[in-house]
Amino acid sequence: DTAVSQTPKYLVTQMGNDKSIKCEQNLGHDTMYWYKQDSKKFLKIMFSYNNKELIINETVPNRFSPKSPDKAHLNLHINSLELGDSAVYFCASSHPPTPTYQETQYFGPGTRLLVL
Amino acid sequence: KNQVEQSPQSLIILEGKNCTLQCNYTVSPFSNLRWYKQDTGRGPVSLTIMTFSENTKSNGRYTATLDADTKQSSLHITASQLSDSASYICVVSHSGGSYIPTFGRGTSLIVHP
Repeated sequence: DTAVSQTPKYLVTQMGNDKSIKCEQNLGHDTMYWYKQDSKKFLKIMFSYNNKELIINETVPNRFSPKSPDKAHLNLHINSLELGDSAVYFCASSHPPTPTYQETQYFGPGTRLLVL
Repeated sequence: KNQVEQSPQSLIILEGKNCTLQCNYTVSPFSNLRWYKQDTGRGPVSLTIMTFSENTKSNGRYTATLDADTKQSSLHITASQLSDSASYICVVSHSGGSYIPTFGRGTSLIVHP
């Protein structure tokens, strides 16, 4: 009965490699998000998709590319990994936000990425 | 600039004691404020949500307050338990057309037996 799931849970890789993180939600939400949590535990939004359409794209290097094959999945592909990409990446989902109201987000367990 | 500041950065208390965490924000126009609990190694989980017209909301031993005039919120934990050890994150949403909520850096709470 997992609500928001991510794979893999841990990812250790060499600098310069390309990697993907997968996210799936079974809550029936239309909106999904990717967050990066740095070593100081600060959560920063990276992307958001609403029904497979990109609605938030923060100042993230274009090495990061989200892909949403359907509204239950939002995968994150990272090219040419750098040391500074090491962090915990969280996927989340919610009902669609409006310009005046942000719905409660449900977070996945996180993917711990370590770039060596 | 929209900001959310939380204090203290970290807090250690004994099991059974009460504590209060603070959140000050400059987000305007204000839509709603949420407190999330993040256990170590897990994703954040929503505890409470308050809109402009609400000044208190409870969820078990957790009680959040909101003063929209002074732009302050607090999260009070009563009769703390070891399982309350976690990071508590204040998140404030904007009602001016932005879909992006503003996150605080969190307060790390440790409850000792």
